Amino acid sequence: AQTVTQSQPEMSVQEAETVTLSCTYDTSESDYYLFWYKQPPSRQMILVIRQEAYKQQNATENRFSVNFQKAAKSFSLKISDSQLGDAAMYFCALGTNFGNEKLTFGTGTRLTIIP
Amino acid sequence: NAGVTQTPKFQVLKTGQSMTLQCAQDMNHNSMYWYRQDPGMGLRLIYYSASEGTTDKGEVPNGYNVSRLNKREFSLRLESAAPSQTSVYFCASSEESRGNQPQHFGDGTRLSIL
Repeated sequence: AQTVTQSQPEMSVQEAETVTLSCTYDTSESDYYLFWYKQPPSRQMILVIRQEAYKQQNATENRFSVNFQKAAKSFSLKISDSQLGDAAMYFCALGTNFGNEKLTFGTGTRLTIIP
Repeated sequence: NAGVTQTPKFQVLKTGQSMTLQCAQDMNHNSMYWYRQDPGMGLRLIYYSASEGTTDKGEVPNGYNVSRLNKREFSLRLESAAPSQTSVYFCASSEESRGNQPQHFGDGTRLSIL
């Protein structure tokens, strides 16, 4: 079985500052993928960024980047120049190609942006 | 550009009533999923359909049934609703049921069982 752990239930950051959300995972598979999803108050789940485990280079998407530490099984999300629209629940998720749990989600981190 | 559409958005049921949640996607995706989201527990997979004509159990299938009506539509049925099934339900789709495929989600259905 695979697990995803987000140890920070809530985080807050000043607008325009940088914040890092933590995620650790466990899987016995060698072929897997990691995702960060954002869930704003509107409830819709939106894909923020994706990382392939076989790639050493950390993924980036505009103000969003990850720090992928494969040996430590760590996958943190860094949000630079935080904006009010970044306020949301953020979920880390792990995907593998085996088993019936196609995506395993963490419990989420609620991010508040302080104006 | 609808993506994944779920109906209804809200529903209140009494214990023992039955209910079908509808989901449709217009992205020509092969795979579809049903999750439930409970406070402090993230999303848990109920059932998924890797392709039209197939369905498989996820992590928490008890009390639910699904139907992959066609490539576009994947419904979730509660035959006899129980208060433990009070949750927010999400439908999702992806091109294939492989771990590298990002999933696209609907807006969710908030279901309360009294």
